Amino acid sequence: AQTVTQSQPEMSVQEAETVTLSCTYDTSESDYYLFWYKQPPSRQMILVIRQEAYKQQNATENRFSVNFQKAAKSFSLKISDSQLGDAAMYFCAYSTDKLIFGTGTRLQVFP
Amino acid sequence: KAGVTQTPRYLIKTRGQQVTLSCSPISGHRSVSWYQQTPGQGLQFLFEYFSETQRNKGNFPGRFSGRQFSNSRSEMNVSTLELGDSALYLCASSSGVAGATDTQYFGPGTRLTVL
Repeated sequence: AQTVTQSQPEMSVQEAETVTLSCTYDTSESDYYLFWYKQPPSRQMILVIRQEAYKQQNATENRFSVNFQKAAKSFSLKISDSQLGDAAMYFCAYSTDKLIFGTGTRLQVFP
Repeated sequence: KAGVTQTPRYLIKTRGQQVTLSCSPISGHRSVSWYQQTPGQGLQFLFEYFSETQRNKGNFPGRFSGRQFSNSRSEMNVSTLELGDSALYLCASSSGVAGATDTQYFGPGTRLTVL
């Protein structure tokens, strides 16, 4: 069965600093997609970044980038120049026929 | 484009009742997926509808059902409510062309409380 593991229940970072959130997954599939979603206190899930497994190049969206290690089944999210508005729950998700989510990492950002 | 909308945003029901939640996808999207979010179980996939047909289903009892209309709007129904059904129910839409590997865009959720 496919599983997604986020081993950091909580992380904190100072404004303007960089933080990395970890995610590992287990699958026997070779073709799949990985996502990071952000859920702020409003509870609306917002797509942060998406990675196709067949692409070796790591995805980047402005201050957000991933480190995708397919052989290690690792998909970490790096947030650069952290802002107060980045404070939220972050969910890693794996997708083939449905989205499977990790348990989430709560990110706190301190001024 | 308008985003995914869900109604109602909040619901309070009592055990044994039934409830219907509604989701309107982004215009042009043909796939709607439903998820249940609870503190204990996290985010769990309920089912996906594409072109009025259930394309995928998670591991939930038959009390949870859904349907999709010709305009892609979807409803989810929970019958004989139990206390454990209290959760945030999230709806997500996607183009549906590539299946679940399409990027899914989420609505604001419906908070269901069962007393």
